[in-house]
Amino acid sequence: DIVLTQSPDTLSLSPGERATLACRASQSVNSGSLAWYQHKPGQAPRLLMYGPSSRATGIPDRFSGSGSGTDFTLTISSLDPEDFALYYCQQYASSPFTFGQGTRLEIK
Amino acid sequence: VQLVQSGAEVKKPGESLRISCEGSGYSFTTYSIHWVRLLPGKGLEWMGTIDPSDSYTNYNPSFQGHVTFSTDKSVNTAYLHWSTLRASDTAMYYCAAGGPFFFDFWGHGTLVTVSS
Repeated sequence: DIVLTQSPDTLSLSPGERATLACRASQSVNSGSLAWYQHKPGQAPRLLMYGPSSRATGIPDRFSGSGSGTDFTLTISSLDPEDFALYYCQQYASSPFTFGQGTRLEIK
Repeated sequence: VQLVQSGAEVKKPGESLRISCEGSGYSFTTYSIHWVRLLPGKGLEWMGTIDPSDSYTNYNPSFQGHVTFSTDKSVNTAYLHWSTLRASDTAMYYCAAGGPFFFDFWGHGTLVTVSS
């Protein structure tokens, strides 16, 4: 199975700041087959990015994704108060699909 | 697109359980249904997927043989079934609809508690 390791575990930032979340795979993720999700307590997770740089429908353009091979990044250019949540990466290059352990983005 | 999951369940080890996920706002056979587990204090785990159009399934080997996916197109509903629950099955279970690979739309989850 492809293991995804996200860093950092927790990121403390202020609204308006830039957030950079990393996701490293244990082996190459072919064709950039990586997605990012946002999850808030008590809510359904939300698809943010796939492919890895395509935004899902309705996702603001302050969210961007990049990377290839084993290293991927989710960037939030200017944090909005509603962006503080848990973020997961997920690979779909090979089955079984796997998730990273998550990065918690908290208000500083 | 909306996915409505059945309510929380409390069961004993060894009991069986079926939870449901009803899709609305789209043609039910358009999207695959994936099941994802969230263990307390842990991250997300993909359990597998079922294609409602032909009932094709792809199970994560970690769950193969312990759970069963099914759908009923007449009521736009997908099901996750356990014949023998374990305490370690205590978790939140999400259904998600999307293509074969990633998950565009999610339900709010069903909390399953297995305790003697």
